[in-house]
Amino acid sequence: DAGVIQSPRHEVTEMGQEVTLRCKPISGHNSLFWYRQTMMRGLELLIYFNNNVPIDDSGMPEDRFSAKMPNASFSTLKIQPSEPRDSAVYFCASIRSGGYTEAFFGQGTRLTVV
Amino acid sequence: RKEVEQDPGPFNVPEGATVAFNCTYSNSASQSFFWYRQDCRKEPKLLMSVYSSGNEDGRFTAQLNRASQYISLLIRDSKLSDSATYLCVVNTNAGGTSYGKLTFGQGTILTVHP
Repeated sequence: DAGVIQSPRHEVTEMGQEVTLRCKPISGHNSLFWYRQTMMRGLELLIYFNNNVPIDDSGMPEDRFSAKMPNASFSTLKIQPSEPRDSAVYFCASIRSGGYTEAFFGQGTRLTVV
Repeated sequence: RKEVEQDPGPFNVPEGATVAFNCTYSNSASQSFFWYRQDCRKEPKLLMSVYSSGNEDGRFTAQLNRASQYISLLIRDSKLSDSATYLCVVNTNAGGTSYGKLTFGQGTILTVHP
């Protein structure tokens, strides 16, 4: 398996533009997590899905952020409109549900909003 | 109060030193615990799970104290290659389910110097 695949790896966009981040989890993993990482706030959980259903989106900062998981092999995180304070590294992680199972992370998308 | 709090460091130690990291979590219903390692500009990766009885993996020892809601990581005989950020992770299952919410601490930066 190729692991968790995120795209794009880097994104530079202008304030006000729509940004879509993509994630392909590991096949067979049934939970998917979106995190945002900044120096100031560390790794923040934005939202997570189990069997494609959003379970907890309390970490989504505001209505400008939305996430979908239309099927077991694909998820998107959308920011519209983007703002400079959204600049961060966005990670997607997937896990096979259970107790002591390992979460595997994608390489992240480094987003810069100018 | 944050769900997972870590000693922020940074820790700057010489090769061969022993260093300990601490972490506390707020949700007593949390069920599984981990330490992840993150290298600069990379994604987090599992270092080790933390079991109730404590566990050891080579130079690394993890301890869990459920009564105090406290997790620790001890690194003995530290190497230059141990330089990284160490993240405490707590998995809290939604009631009656097998899937959980993975919450990360802020991370502790370790630098091992010659």
